[in-house]
Amino acid sequence: GQQVMQIPQYQHVQEGEDFTTYCNSSTTLSNIQWYKQRPGGHPVFLIQLVKSGEVKKQKRLTFQFGEAKKNSSLHITATQTTDVGTYFCAGLNNAGNMLTFGGGTRLMVKP
Amino acid sequence: NAGVTQTPKFRILKIGQSMTLQCTQDMNHNYMYWYRQDPGMGLKLIYYSVGAGITDKGEVPNGYNVSRSTTEDFPLRLELAAPSQTSVYFCASRSWGEEQYFGPGTRLTVT
Repeated sequence: GQQVMQIPQYQHVQEGEDFTTYCNSSTTLSNIQWYKQRPGGHPVFLIQLVKSGEVKKQKRLTFQFGEAKKNSSLHITATQTTDVGTYFCAGLNNAGNMLTFGGGTRLMVKP
Repeated sequence: NAGVTQTPKFRILKIGQSMTLQCTQDMNHNYMYWYRQDPGMGLKLIYYSVGAGITDKGEVPNGYNVSRSTTEDFPLRLELAAPSQTSVYFCASRSWGEEQYFGPGTRLTVT
């Protein structure tokens, strides 16, 4: 079955430093979605990427979808303490009925 | 819209007891999902449904059952609870091609 791997599992950064998490799928994806889960909360949708090579930005967050539609990345510029949480990528299968979630990257920001 | 609601928020079960976790969405979404999230871990898909009357197994279905008699409701049944089922359970829903909305979760402890 489809597998989605995410690295790193944990990342500690000093406030103001940049942060990147990477996502790789074992199969070609229909699209990829990113979610953020704050400690004690539930996952909340951030963005969806559909096209090969697509790049989208949300303020300090930059999302990329690979040319082969098998990998993706999330980059945060100048992290803030409000960025703390776990970031999950999720790949939609070609049937469009199921999202497979990566294991998540837990970001911790030291003030 | 209330979005995705889950009850109860917390529950403690004794080994061998049974219970039903309730999930309701008011967004007329066809797709609904049940995930479990163990501490510090990612989301594992238990069961999903692509519409009323249709359900299918996910990655970790053993020990659980679901039904989908209406578009709005997708209850998860635990039979003969075991300590390994101690987890946080998230229900989610979405429309075709759209992002997934998560409920606030049910924190279950089996002792």
